[in-house]
Amino acid sequence: EAGVVQSPRYKIIEKKQPVAFWCNPISGHNTLYWYRQNLGQGPELLIRYENEEAVDDSQLPKDRFSAERLKGVDSTLKIQPAELGDSAVYLCASSPRGLAGGPSHYNEQFFGPGTRLTVL
Amino acid sequence: ELKVEQNPLFLSMQEGKNYTIYCNYSTTSDRLYWYRQDPGKSLESLFVLLSNGAVKQEGRLMASLDTKARLSTLHITAAVHDLSATYFCAVAGDGLTFGKGTHLIIQP
Repeated sequence: EAGVVQSPRYKIIEKKQPVAFWCNPISGHNTLYWYRQNLGQGPELLIRYENEEAVDDSQLPKDRFSAERLKGVDSTLKIQPAELGDSAVYLCASSPRGLAGGPSHYNEQFFGPGTRLTVL
Repeated sequence: ELKVEQNPLFLSMQEGKNYTIYCNYSTTSDRLYWYRQDPGKSLESLFVLLSNGAVKQEGRLMASLDTKARLSTLHITAAVHDLSATYFCAVAGDGLTFGKGTHLIIQP
């Protein structure tokens, strides 16, 4: 079974430039997550999708960050314009549908390799 | 707001020794995960703990969950160098809330 795929793996940009990250979740997983992991820290949730609907984006800095998940499969996370403090690893994860109708975000999450962003 | 605290944050130990990593969390949850992360790599799922008193073991690692105490432990038995990594606990609430991780170095 193929895992979560992310691209690019590395990105270096100058501040104020735009950047976009792409994620393809595990086939059949309806829940998709974007996390940001700062150096030496645990991942922090940015946004969670159930199919194509963003159900939790409370931690997404909406002034510069945006995300979409068209057709409920692949997702794109965008930053425009990037700031120095955005340097981090951006992780995408997916999880299957909840068992017995339970919330899918309770299920085990499978993580992609991440995109390491450096803003100069 | 759910808070997750791990300790220690950094641990250096010798091969063959035993040690325990602790994960405390602030609000009720009955599901907890342990992940491993190698440098420059993504997170690998180790254990899923689904109920109070749950205990799971894989090789030299054993994880347990006490939901009443809001505490999970990850115990390492007779450590080997290959277990050097950063270990995260993550607690299920509105999504997963991760601890800061325990950076484990096992020296020959």
